[in-house]
Amino acid sequence: GENVEQHPSTLSVQEGDSAVIKCTYSDSASNYFPWYKQELGKRPQLIIDIRSNVGEKKDQRIAVTLNKTAKHFSLHITETQPEDSAVYFCALYNFNKFYFGSGTKLNVKP
Amino acid sequence: DAGITQSPRHKVTETGTPVTLRCHQTENHRYMYWYRQDPGHGLRLIHYSYGVKDTDKGEVSDGYSVSRSKTEDFLLTLESATSSQTSVYFCAISARGLVEGGELFFGEGSRLTVL
Repeated sequence: GENVEQHPSTLSVQEGDSAVIKCTYSDSASNYFPWYKQELGKRPQLIIDIRSNVGEKKDQRIAVTLNKTAKHFSLHITETQPEDSAVYFCALYNFNKFYFGSGTKLNVKP
Repeated sequence: DAGITQSPRHKVTETGTPVTLRCHQTENHRYMYWYRQDPGHGLRLIHYSYGVKDTDKGEVSDGYSVSRSKTEDFLLTLESATSSQTSVYFCAISARGLVEGGELFFGEGSRLTVL
């Protein structure tokens, strides 16, 4: 299967700071790259996604960048708030299958 | 939230017993997935379905089987549960597949403990 590496595994930031999570992958056929947020005890939910024909996408405080040549994509959260504390998963899609990274636990300290 | 429910939500069973988890959707989505979630491993695909009676294996399919006899139901069966199958199982559905993926909507998860 596809190998998706996600870093860091844990990230602690002060409220108001930025957070960046990075994922690398190996299969160049992947064309859809979503990010999911999972709060403690809850189900994962999509927060933003990007397709391979786009380099960057923003949605308020969240942005995702994609570098297909280097095979990596990143999640950027600006002006972090305590409610951003959760586990974040990157994923990629390749013909019917979604492959997930191992997750990043983000802790935003008030 | 998308109309997707899993049952049971919690189950404790003994090694060697069969277990079936059910995923039911009311969205009429074509694609359905079973994932397991374990610390340090993220979400790993067990099996998926791309239509009624059409299923395929994922990354960690050994010890699991699935069936989809109607659009709304996707069953995951552990024929003989082992302690290594203790996990949280998530069902997910999607309206898009094949070449172009789309949003996955997850169920609330089923926590399975095998003693």
